[in-house]
Amino acid sequence: GDSVTQMEGPVTLSEEAFLTINCTYTATGYPSLFWYVQYPGEGLQLLLKATKADDKGSNKGFEATYRKETTSFHLEKGSVQVSDSAVYFCALSDQEAGSYQLTFGKGTKLSVIP
Amino acid sequence: DGGITQSPKYLFRKEGQNVTLSCEQNLNHDAMYWYRQDPGQGLRLIYYSQIVNDFQKGDIAEGYSVSREKKESFPLTVTSAQKNPTAFYLCASRGQGDSPLHFGNGTRLTVT
Repeated sequence: GDSVTQMEGPVTLSEEAFLTINCTYTATGYPSLFWYVQYPGEGLQLLLKATKADDKGSNKGFEATYRKETTSFHLEKGSVQVSDSAVYFCALSDQEAGSYQLTFGKGTKLSVIP
Repeated sequence: DGGITQSPKYLFRKEGQNVTLSCEQNLNHDAMYWYRQDPGQGLRLIYYSQIVNDFQKGDIAEGYSVSREKKESFPLTVTSAQKNPTAFYLCASRGQGDSPLHFGNGTRLTVT
């Protein structure tokens, strides 16, 4: 079945540091890929998405490129801020499964210190 | 503004009692979902519904029940049969096809 593996946290960075959160996936079809962000005490919000190979999703300074050859969708940001502290979830949606259900990774907690 | 409303934000119950968590959306979405979130385990799908009066079990449906009598509403009942009900519960909805999930702000259930 489909699965998503993302790097375990927690990740602690200083403000303005470079961020990478690794995400790899296994899917039977041609999935769409997503990054969601969860701030403390809240639900998840869509951060960015990519629907086909070599697509780059971007939002709020975050970027991720859909790499079919390495089955990866790593999240990057050039300069993190304290306000980026949150839990980040990688997810895929497999059309072959028919119901467009999302499969989520376990989440990576990011803490950014001033 | 369109969105998903979960209530209450915090809920406390005694062991052995059933409890119902509310989820309402005004996004006109057909599909709705319930997830459970535990520390270090990510999100696990409990139940989902793609249309009114129809729903399917997810990966961890045992001890839970749902109904979908209206498009806007998808309440989740945590029954006394659920062995470990204390968790953060998230409701979500989705538009047509491969569109992203929209989430509510969750209900934190504590059973003692």
